[in-house]
Amino acid sequence: AQSVTQLDSQVPVFEEAPVELRCNYSSSVSVYLFWYVQYPNQGLQLLLKYLSGSTLVESINGFEAEFNKSQTSFHLRKPSVHISDTAEYFCAVRAYTGGFKTIFGAGTRLFVKA
Amino acid sequence: ETGVTQTPRHLVMGMTNKKSLKCEQHLGHNAMYWYKQSAKKPLELMFVYSLEERVENNSVPSRFSPECPNSSHLFLHLHTLQPEDSALYLCASSLGVGEEQFFGPGTRLTVL
Repeated sequence: AQSVTQLDSQVPVFEEAPVELRCNYSSSVSVYLFWYVQYPNQGLQLLLKYLSGSTLVESINGFEAEFNKSQTSFHLRKPSVHISDTAEYFCAVRAYTGGFKTIFGAGTRLFVKA
Repeated sequence: ETGVTQTPRHLVMGMTNKKSLKCEQHLGHNAMYWYKQSAKKPLELMFVYSLEERVENNSVPSRFSPECPNSSHLFLHLHTLQPEDSALYLCASSLGVGEEQFFGPGTRLTVL
């Protein structure tokens, strides 16, 4: 069975510091991987995705994630965070197991402090 | 208007009320989803529709009844809810099932 584990429920960090939000998944088939972001009082928005090709994917606002097949991980990183990055971040995995299914992780709340 | 819209944004109802949540997408997508988001819990997939046909129903109580009259509209009819049903209900759509999903802003439901 597929599953997604986000190891940290909350990550507090100071502004301009680097951050890494961890995501591990379990699947025996090839997968697509996503990171979504949810700002307060809003729905989820796609931040970035890995479908194939380069294992390092980037978003327009400075986040990046690296697909590591051997470690079944897709950690999200940003070298310098802003107050406006405060939000909930969800890792998601899509795999084909008799039908396409997307599984979401429990979410990591990133809290950026001044 | 573009994207995925949900109405109402906030809803307070008693346990004996009947209400409906509405979702509309203007993206030309064929798949639509209902999720329940409760505090401190993972996102729970409730229903999936593909081309107006329900393709997934994840053991959701019968007091939640979905309806998909066409590929652009999705409803969630609510009847005799419990206080533990209070949550943020999110609608999403995608080009096909399992593709990248686009979410609406959600309906914050409070059951008294």
